[in-house]
Amino acid sequence: GNSVTQMEGPVTLSEEAFLTINCTYTATGYPSLFWYVQYPGEGLQLLLKATKADDKGSNKGFEATYRKETTSFHLEKGSVQVSDSAVYFCALRGEGGSTLGRLYFGRGTQLTVWP
Amino acid sequence: EAGVTQFPSHSVIEKGQTVTLRCDPISGHDNLYWYRRVMGKEIKFLLHFVKESKQDESGMPNNRFLAERTGGTYSTLKVQPAELEDSGVYFCASSQVVEGAQYFGPGTRLLVL
Repeated sequence: GNSVTQMEGPVTLSEEAFLTINCTYTATGYPSLFWYVQYPGEGLQLLLKATKADDKGSNKGFEATYRKETTSFHLEKGSVQVSDSAVYFCALRGEGGSTLGRLYFGRGTQLTVWP
Repeated sequence: EAGVTQFPSHSVIEKGQTVTLRCDPISGHDNLYWYRRVMGKEIKFLLHFVKESKQDESGMPNNRFLAERTGGTYSTLKVQPAELEDSGVYFCASSQVVEGAQYFGPGTRLLVL
């Protein structure tokens, strides 16, 4: 079946540090992959996505590359800011059928950035 | 454009009581989803509506949970009777097409005592 394994947190970094949050997945076929972010007191927001192998999703300085050979979709940012403090969720959506709309999520990684 | 809204934001009830959560999707979005996050665990899918029809309800934990979307607009999720393990954050999301991006509401935090 489909599942997502995400690096457990919490992650604490100083401002301008490099960020990596690991995400690996199990799925049949060719799923679409997503990173969502939840800022304090808000709902989940789509941060970036990739729909096929070797695609790179990017947004707000964050990047993630769909690696089918390693079944991974690691989130990276070269220089984090205090405003990036949030919970980050990796997710996948299966290929098709009646469960096409369903998203499978990892457990979330709490990121705290200190000035 | 208004986003997905959920009501209430918080609910504290006693075991055995009934609670009804409401979700208003983005206008024009035919697809509506319910998810739940139990503390410290992953966000889990509950069900998916296309307009007023249940497309996929395989994630509903048991028959104490009843979801409706009469008229294909807002949706309600009723838990009756509530148990301790139902505590968590209930998220609603909507999308224009099933392959499209899902937009999430802020969630309803439910605590069953």
